[in-house]
This record gives sequence, structure tokens and C-alpha cells, in this order.
Amino acid sequence: QITLKETGPTLVKPTQTLTLTCSFSGFSLNTPGVGVGWIRQPPGKALEWLGLIYWDDDKRYSPSLKNRLSIIRDTSKNHVVLTMTNMDPVDTATYYCSKWTRIVTPGHSWFDPWGQGTLVTVSS
Amino acid sequence: DIQMTQSPSSLSASVGDRVTITCRASQNIISFLNWYQQKPGKAPNLLIFGASSLQSGVPSRFSGSGSGTDFTLTINSLQPEDFATYYCQQSYSTPPYTFGQGTRLEI
Repeated sequence: QITLKETGPTLVKPTQTLTLTCSFSGFSLNTPGVGVGWIRQPPGKALEWLGLIYWDDDKRYSPSLKNRLSIIRDTSKNHVVLTMTNMDPVDTATYYCSKWTRIVTPGHSWFDPWGQGTLVTVSS
Repeated sequence: DIQMTQSPSSLSASVGDRVTITCRASQNIISFLNWYQQKPGKAPNLLIFGASSLQSGVPSRFSGSGSGTDFTLTINSLQPEDFATYYCQQSYSTPPYTFGQGTRLEI
């Protein structure tokens, strides 16, 4: 069974740095074609893709947030850490991590399963 | 970036109905299109990948079709548990893997 869980602060102040940890089990981040992605959802709004770390430690970030985001992994502990700097009230959202899988042929990929999400509020 | 546009934004239907949700990509994404279902207060759940492949465990009343820029999610014989918000997501080439704005399916 594959599970993921996000942990971190529920409240951060404007300009502070957010650090969230995604703890996962049931798969290895060393397996080719596997990654862990981060997606967020402001209250009542749509999903927004944030970033992805691949099995080979390559990373991709949302162009609009790339200067503020960092994703690293600790494969020995089955953790992935998201860091977002200079937090603003518009960053208030539920943050999800999810297992990303890509099949070789024809190259389709998807996010499944997802963690339960963690609501982060940015307020002074 | 590839933009994804869903229509309608919301939809009212009844149990037993057949509904169709549309997703349009801003460029050709071949068949690199996924559909997710999200219920209130819950994380999204993968329904369809590769435009038309049903994820394991998903009821067969869900189906996906389309290629290029236009895609549809069809739900046959709506069940009470199907009332939720549905999102498309493109997975073409390299990220960002953008989502549509969602379609809320209401009773």
C-alpha cells in the first residue's frame, strides 16, 4: 500500500519561509519513472502544480514560483521536503504531495495517490 | 506553458443521468491528459490517465476520450457518490503539468 503524508506548520507569517515534509511509504524514489510532486489548492479554488522531484534527483518547478521553491529528497528516510520562501497571504492553501509515475511507452504520467494535504495559512 | 480550459465550470445533474465534461488544451498534447475527482475536504483521486485509460479500481461508468487539444470525461448513470469536482491535467512533455480550473458537478 502506498501512502504519503504532508507535515509542517499550519501558520506562517508573511515573508517567512515555509518548509513542508512529505513522508511516504510503499514505493522507492530510486525507481526509474517515479517521482514526488507538490500541488496546492487555495481555499475554494483550483489545483496548482508546484513542482516535481524525479528518481534521478532532477527537479522541475512552476515557472511562476521557481525563484521561491526548492524540493529536496532524503531517500534513506523516504522524505521529500518542499521549501517556499517569502510567503505571502496569497500562498494560503492546502498543500499536497503525490506520487508521480511515468510509464515508458507511450510516456504517460500521472499523480496517484495523494497525501491528505495540509492547510497552510499565511497571516501576521 | 500549456493552458487547460474546462467547461462547464459547474453542472447540475440527477442520479442516473449521463454527463460530459470537456477539457481543452492550448496546444496539441496528443493523449497526455489525466482526469481527477475531488470530493469536499479530500485529496484528488485519479480516474483516467492517457486520455482514455481507466485507473484500477475506478468504476466503468467513467470514461475518457479525445486527443490533440479536445478531451471529454463522460460519466454514465450518475451515482450519488459521483457528485464532486473534476479536474483535467496535462502531462505532455516536460513540466509544468498544469490543471484545468475544475468542473463542479452538483445534484
